Amino acid sequence: GQQLNQSPQSMFIQEGEDVSMNCTSSSIFNTWLWYKQDPGEGPVLLIALYKAGELTSNGRLTAQFGITRKDSFLNISASIPSDVGIYFCAAPGGTSGSRLTFGEGTQLTVNP
Amino acid sequence: GAVVSQHPSRVICKSGTSVKIECRSLDFQATTMFWYRQFPKQSLMLMATSNEGSKATYEQGVEKDKFLINHASLTLSTLTVTSAHPEDSSFYICSAAGPGGNSPLHFGNGTRLTVT
Repeated sequence: GQQLNQSPQSMFIQEGEDVSMNCTSSSIFNTWLWYKQDPGEGPVLLIALYKAGELTSNGRLTAQFGITRKDSFLNISASIPSDVGIYFCAAPGGTSGSRLTFGEGTQLTVNP
Repeated sequence: GAVVSQHPSRVICKSGTSVKIECRSLDFQATTMFWYRQFPKQSLMLMATSNEGSKATYEQGVEKDKFLINHASLTLSTLTVTSAHPEDSSFYICSAAGPGGNSPLHFGNGTRLTVT
C-alpha cells in the first residue's frame, strides 16, 4: 500500500535553532498535509499543500509540496519550547480523498 | 474553523465490558468520519472509514465485530469496543471530513482507553 517515509525520527535542538523534516513516498499525491500532535491530544493541522511546487507559510512554519508530488518538507524557524511535540506528514489516498496515510512522525524536543 | 469533539477523553473499563466513544462534528456536517488507533510512540493507524447512512469500511486486520461503528447522522459517529481486553488499551482518535472530501481532515482530541 501507500507509505510515507518521514525523517528524521527524532530531533533534539536548542531554542532558537531552525528545524527541517521531510516526507517521501514512492507514490504520487495531490495533497500533502502537516500535523502536530501534543501528548494526549489529537493531531492539529498546521499546513495544507494542494499544488506541486507550492510553498506555504504559517507563522514560523514553512512547508513545500515537492515538484515530483512524491515528497514534502516542513521547516520551523527560530524554534521555541512550545514547538515540542510530534510532527506528522499525511497525504490522502484511496477511493476516499480524505482517507489519510500518515508518516511515522518526527518527535521534536527543544531545549531552552 | 472546523471542530471535532470526541468523548470521553479517558475511560477505564474492566475486561469483558464494552465501551462507546463518540465523535461529533460541531460546526459542519461530516459525511465521512475516520477512526484511528495509536500506540505509544507510533503513528496513527486507520481502523475504519465511517460513512453516514451506510456500513463502515474496515481496514485489513481490523475486526468489525470487535469495533462496531455507527454513523447515524451527519454530525455523529460512534465506535464501540465490544468485550474489551487489555490488548485493546490504546489511544483512539476520530477525524471528520466535510462534503466532497476535499477539505483537510480535522481530528478529535482522542480517547485514552485502558482495559484492566
